[in-house]
Amino acid sequence: AQSVSQHNHHVILSEAASLELGCNYSYGGTVNLFWYVQYPGQHLQLLLKYFSGDPLVKGIKGFEAEFIKSKFSFNLRKPSVQWSDTAEYFCAVTYSSASKIIFGSGTRLSIRP
Amino acid sequence: DGGITQSPKYLFRKEGQNVTLSCEQNLNHDAMYWYRQDPGQGLRLIYYSQIVNDFQKGDIAEGYSVSREKKESFPLTVTSAQKNPTAFYLCASRVQGARETEAFFGQGTRLTVV
Repeated sequence: AQSVSQHNHHVILSEAASLELGCNYSYGGTVNLFWYVQYPGQHLQLLLKYFSGDPLVKGIKGFEAEFIKSKFSFNLRKPSVQWSDTAEYFCAVTYSSASKIIFGSGTRLSIRP
Repeated sequence: DGGITQSPKYLFRKEGQNVTLSCEQNLNHDAMYWYRQDPGQGLRLIYYSQIVNDFQKGDIAEGYSVSREKKESFPLTVTSAQKNPTAFYLCASRVQGARETEAFFGQGTRLTVV
């Protein structure tokens, strides 16, 4: 079945630490990949997306993600986190054969000031 | 302002009652979605619709029903058959037929069964 896995359920970092959140998807042909963020009390918003071309994608607020096709991965990175990055992060995928968007279980990120 | 409006923000229901959650969008999107968000389980797809008068079951459709009579509206009914309805419900929409486009989300409705 088509699925997305996020292995880190809760990550705790200090400010200025580097961040990498894992995301793996199941094979299903051509994919589009997304990272969404949900800040406390706010609606989900898009951080970045990949659909073709350069596998290194840059998003808002200094986030980036790399699509590695051979590993079925789309990990999210940020070189130096801030307290304001405290949020829940969701990886999502769409497959060319379907209209639905499949989400991972989310990673809660807590930043110590 | 274009966007997705979900109402109400908070909803309380007695056991055994059906309740309908509203979702309206003015983005002119064809595709609309309902997700359920539970702690540690991410967003799970309940139903989605790609066009007016058509919808498909998602992964956890049991105990829920939807309708899509208008492009702008995609209400979700949580029926008494849903065994564990207390959750946060999110509605989303996006352009149909363009797989690279992202979904836009509403603010959500928190349903509590009392």
